[in-house]
Amino acid sequence: SYELTQPPSVSVSPGQTASITCSGDKLGEKYACWYQQRPGQSPLLVIYQDGKRPSGIPERFSGSNSGNTATLTISETQAMDEADYYCQTWDSTTVVFGGGTKLTVL
Amino acid sequence: QVQLQESGPGLVTPSETLSLTCTVSGGSVSSDSHYWSWIRQPPGKGLEWIGYIGYTGSTNYNPSLKSRLTISVDTSKNQFSLRLSSVTAADTAIYYCARRGLVWEFDYWGQGAVVTVSS
Repeated sequence: SYELTQPPSVSVSPGQTASITCSGDKLGEKYACWYQQRPGQSPLLVIYQDGKRPSGIPERFSGSNSGNTATLTISETQAMDEADYYCQTWDSTTVVFGGGTKLTVL
Repeated sequence: QVQLQESGPGLVTPSETLSLTCTVSGGSVSSDSHYWSWIRQPPGKGLEWIGYIGYTGSTNYNPSLKSRLTISVDTSKNQFSLRLSSVTAADTAIYYCARRGLVWEFDYWGQGAVVTVSS
């Protein structure tokens, strides 16, 4: 079965740029999405179709996908960005989520 | 604005069947542009896709749950439902319903229903 691998944790200083990676076999040939989940809340779609932002998501959030790796980039990171982030794609007709990355804003 | 709301028992006895319903407002389960999905999250763990259903009733399930799973849709009530049989403690989780778009993104989520499997 298809798998997506994320680092368990990433740390960033306020105002700096955070990058969270998601790896999977030939992931660049599929579309990748990213979700933000703050404690006690439902996941929120922040990036879809590799690099598109839904309405209401700040421009600080961007995404890319090439080769075997998709990357979520958060520029000018703020304290409110501290959350768990999940990547997601599909394989055949099966939905696949990455294991999640805890972003800590120090 | 599309809203989804899960409902159902918060406590299920082991070996019994877990049943949840998701009520959709601001959108239609009869849309041919979306699929209606269930996703769960065990305590302290990541997201696990359960399955989805289209407006025609076509379904696709997580292979690991397929033998115990039924997802159905009621267009007259604008709802879709989940039934998971023979539950164990491993099925304890927050269960989310969500709308899936054509490029496989989940753009709207319910607030989640906490389900505990215990005697």
